[in-house]
Amino acid sequence: DAGITQSPRHKVTETGTPVTLRCHQTENHRYMYWYRQDPGHGLRLIHYSYGVKDTDKGEVSDGYSVSRSKTEDFLLTLESATSSQTSVYFCAISELSGRAGYEQFFGPGTRLTVL
Amino acid sequence: KNEVEQSPQNLTAQEGEFITINCSYSVGISALHWLQQHPGGGIVSLFMLSSGKKKHGRLIATINIQEKHSSLHITASHPRDSAVYICAVMSGSQGNLIFGKGTKLSVKP
Repeated sequence: DAGITQSPRHKVTETGTPVTLRCHQTENHRYMYWYRQDPGHGLRLIHYSYGVKDTDKGEVSDGYSVSRSKTEDFLLTLESATSSQTSVYFCAISELSGRAGYEQFFGPGTRLTVL
Repeated sequence: KNEVEQSPQNLTAQEGEFITINCSYSVGISALHWLQQHPGGGIVSLFMLSSGKKKHGRLIATINIQEKHSSLHITASHPRDSAVYICAVMSGSQGNLIFGKGTKLSVKP
């Protein structure tokens, strides 16, 4: 258990509304990630962070922004939600794991439905 | 062409059978991960490996760096092994993961 929580776990919202998802970790990990998981696509990276106020875009960042003002929290914001953003969102952290390098551990996921 | 390909996409087995799931990749990697996701559930890291073989209980993961191929084996399969198994490779200077689309395994009693 890497001490990762996500909130909310489920959310239904309407097109055009802003939505913020929160990822919280308790073990001071430097690297944090946001992914979305969709049928037929697998997991895709939205944004990631390598430290407080240090973030970068992933493969599918359009329509999403992130913020990391504290080590323990990584926020994902949909400024104006669209139906194409209906998905399951996973947060992850990475932790050094022996000689093989950094291993990623995932939060429980947030199921977002945009009507 | 996807950078990480898994086969098969779907697999049905009888309890007790030996199962193999394959992963091929086309990029240079520093490590390869096998992940497990139960229906409606979270994602659990099973293995991370950069060479050779690792074993944990009934699960065995192997990787051949020269052939850019990895396999996940399950011995004496059980219905509780039913899940989606995801291969992911760590590539690039940032060490981000590239994921396969997953293999859905169903083990019948």
